[in-house]
Amino acid sequence: AQKVTQAQTEISVVEKEDVTLDCVYETRDTTYYLFWYKQPPSGELVFLIRRNSFDEQNEISGRYSWNFQKSTSSFNFTITASQVVDSAVYFCALSEAKNYGQNFVFGPGTRLSVLP
Amino acid sequence: NAGVTQTPKFRVLKTGQSMTLLCAQDMNHEYMYWYRQDPGMGLRLIHYSVGEGTTAKGEVPDGYNVSRLKKQNFLLGLESAAPSQTSVYFCASSLPPGREQYFGPGTRLTVT
Repeated sequence: AQKVTQAQTEISVVEKEDVTLDCVYETRDTTYYLFWYKQPPSGELVFLIRRNSFDEQNEISGRYSWNFQKSTSSFNFTITASQVVDSAVYFCALSEAKNYGQNFVFGPGTRLSVLP
Repeated sequence: NAGVTQTPKFRVLKTGQSMTLLCAQDMNHEYMYWYRQDPGMGLRLIHYSVGEGTTAKGEVPDGYNVSRLKKQNFLLGLESAAPSQTSVYFCASSLPPGREQYFGPGTRLTVT
């Protein structure tokens, strides 16, 4: 069965620090997709990135970067030079290619607080 | 282009009452989903639909029913609300397969 673990329940950093949010996943499928979502205090869920299992290239988008390592089943998210606006709950999610609709699983989330 | 909308935004029910939550999307997505979000548990899938006229059970379907009579709408019904159904409900839609889901703003439901 597929599973997503986000071991860090809460993280606090001071503005301008770098922070990495960990995501470890389990799946038996060879084709799968990984996602990160942000949920700011206002409550909406914002899509950040999608990765498929055949693309292990790291991705950078501004201050955000993602490190996908199949060898360790991890898809970690790093925020460089954090800002107060980055304060949110971040969710990692996994979807297996087969039975797609049923197999979209979210991790429990990591609450990031960026202090001024 | 409104994306995914949900009505109502807030609702308080008494135990045993019924209600329907409406989700609408204007992105022509085939797949639609209903999740509930409870503290410390992330999002859990209630029901989903892979196209107009189809529905299927997710991880926590008990106590809920759904209907997808039109491609753009996905309704979630609670026939007899219970305090355990107090939660924030999110609707989402996506293109298949393996594509990202786009979420509505959520409905906060309290059952007393």
